[in-house]
Amino acid sequence: EDQVTQSPEALRLQEGESSSLNCSYTVSGLRGLFWYRQDPGKGPEFLFTLYSAGEEKEKERLKATLTKKESFLHITAPKPEDSATYLCAVQSRGSGNTPLVFGKGTRLSVIA
Amino acid sequence: KAGVTQTPRYLIKTRGQQVTLSCSPISGHRSVSWYQQTPGQGLQFLFEYFSETQRNKGNFPGRFSGRQFSNSRSEMNVSTLELGDSALYLCASSFLAGGRSTDTQYFGPGTRLTVL
Repeated sequence: EDQVTQSPEALRLQEGESSSLNCSYTVSGLRGLFWYRQDPGKGPEFLFTLYSAGEEKEKERLKATLTKKESFLHITAPKPEDSATYLCAVQSRGSGNTPLVFGKGTRLSVIA
Repeated sequence: KAGVTQTPRYLIKTRGQQVTLSCSPISGHRSVSWYQQTPGQGLQFLFEYFSETQRNKGNFPGRFSGRQFSNSRSEMNVSTLELGDSALYLCASSFLAGGRSTDTQYFGPGTRLTVL
């Protein structure tokens, strides 16, 4: 059974204080690993897709990396508007659009 | 390009009633997936439709059902509502270009269902 574990559950940072969020996963054949951002009362907003170990992607202050067992979301010099819940999900190989399996998320608060 | 839209945004029902939620995918997207999000369980997959056919189904009771129309719009229905069905129901659409096995799922804002 595919599983995703995210840590920490919650993270409180001062503005400008860089940190990393962790996503550990087990999957029977990785098709893709996804990062989403979710604001309260809204649907998840797509950030990145990673397909194979060693891959990295960047967007503004965010950088996602992938190994065979985990992914990291690095946040450099965060701002208060980066406060949100960050969700990690894996998709396994199979026929059709196989479902995403999500972790419980990391709730990030950035204090000015 | 308009995003995924879901209606209604909020619903309040009582136990035993049934409810229908609607999802309009991004124009051109043919795959629609439904997820349930609760504080305790997080996001859990309900089912996925492509070309009006259900291709994948999560581990939910038969009270949860869905369908997809020829224009790719989708509905999900929950019959005989229980208190535990209170959740945010999210719809996600993806394009699924020919030959590609992976395609990003874009989520709508969700429908907040409260069962009293």
